[in-house]
Amino acid sequence: NAGVTQTPKFQVLKTGQSMTLQCAQDMNHNSMYWYRQDPGMGLRLIYYSASEGTTDKGEVPNGYNVSRLNKREFSLRLESAAPSQTSVYFCASGVSPGANVLTFGAGSRLTVL
Amino acid sequence: AQTVTQSQPEMSVQEAETVTLSCTYDTSESDYYLFWYKQPPSRQMILVIRQEAYKQQNATENRFSVNFQKAAKSFSLKISDSQLGDAAMYFCAYCYNTDKLIFGTGTRLQVFP
Repeated sequence: NAGVTQTPKFQVLKTGQSMTLQCAQDMNHNSMYWYRQDPGMGLRLIYYSASEGTTDKGEVPNGYNVSRLNKREFSLRLESAAPSQTSVYFCASGVSPGANVLTFGAGSRLTVL
Repeated sequence: AQTVTQSQPEMSVQEAETVTLSCTYDTSESDYYLFWYKQPPSRQMILVIRQEAYKQQNATENRFSVNFQKAAKSFSLKISDSQLGDAAMYFCAYCYNTDKLIFGTGTRLQVFP
């Protein structure tokens, strides 16, 4: 099925460990996004990529890095995980900046002990 | 800075009845987009309805409609003939000129038979 695929769906890490969340879309979308969802706070933008080869910080970028590997893939890396990064992470993609309709992945639940 | 406020953490409705979820936002822009997203227990973010600020006519999608009051910066969602499958978290979101969505904190809707 066409859409946004995130891996892994669940992950448990110890404080200080690193990991990468993978995201791929097969809709030929130009823009891609990483959000985190915490209880009572809605979704907050971590990083985004308006097009292949560009990335920009969102509202809560500290502790994260991203790579727009190609048009299809946008990864989110935690270099040294902290308990404050326990959250559900969503990847999303859009046709182009300004098209205003995003397709979301199913989410990845990350727990940092 | 743009903000989105959902003042109702939880709402409930009887099956087949009508319920209205509230959303207010703050922006100095005149041309922007507003959205309602549904998040069922599966965590998938599903676009319910989209409103373009330059359009005076309220958007409608089957049983879902909005009451868009631009001057009051209000964007409420009305669900008619509520169904058990409507039970979910509902998020109001705003964006201006890009696809960077700013989300409210969400309203949990319960539907009772």
